[in-house]
Amino acid sequence: DAKTTQPTSMDCAEGRAANLPCNHSTISGNEYVYWYRQIHSQGPQYIIHGLKNNETNEMASLIITEDRKSSTLILPHATLRDTAVYYCIVRVGGGSSNTGKLIFGQGTTLQVKP
Amino acid sequence: SQTIHQWPATLVQPVGSPLSLECTVEGTSNPNLYWYRQAAGRGLQLLFYSVGIGQISSEVPQNLSASRPQDRQFILSSKKLLLSDSGFYLCAWSAVTWGEKLFFGSGTQLSVL
Repeated sequence: DAKTTQPTSMDCAEGRAANLPCNHSTISGNEYVYWYRQIHSQGPQYIIHGLKNNETNEMASLIITEDRKSSTLILPHATLRDTAVYYCIVRVGGGSSNTGKLIFGQGTTLQVKP
Repeated sequence: SQTIHQWPATLVQPVGSPLSLECTVEGTSNPNLYWYRQAAGRGLQLLFYSVGIGQISSEVPQNLSASRPQDRQFILSSKKLLLSDSGFYLCAWSAVTWGEKLFFGSGTQLSVL
């Protein structure tokens, strides 16, 4: 199973873009990259996921390198409410015969400062 | 719309007492169901997952068990709690029709004293 490496913590100024990196050098061709975040004492919240193309939704953008060995989650205009632990996860298995269970690492604690 | 209910929100139990945490999902059929635990200051650990009624897979050996008596009901249990069972317990569901994204409940903070 592919594993991910993220920095333990990062700071970002309010209103600026937050760029959270993730390394997944052993990712397989059919594995997706998922991003979740967890605000203190709450359940994790899905942000975005992708396979090889860059993705964007109302919350964030996901940039995946061409070799798929790393990715970056971008929060374009960080607010204080974006302070959370951000998890980069590579999906274990998948498809109709598998649970698609996700294994969470330690994540990156993002502190957005005024 | 799909919702997930998890209760209780907080629980304080003495060592050696039994445990039963319940999770139910509404608005989707045949979901995959999961129990995660988060110890203080630590990441999420997958404890159990289920792909159908009566089908439970355990990820780590432990003092806990899980059951799925109905399609959208997932129960986490213990006969005798240990101090090390303290933590934040999260139930989650996923479904192929939702791209296997995980949707989490609000969690139960369990303190074993």
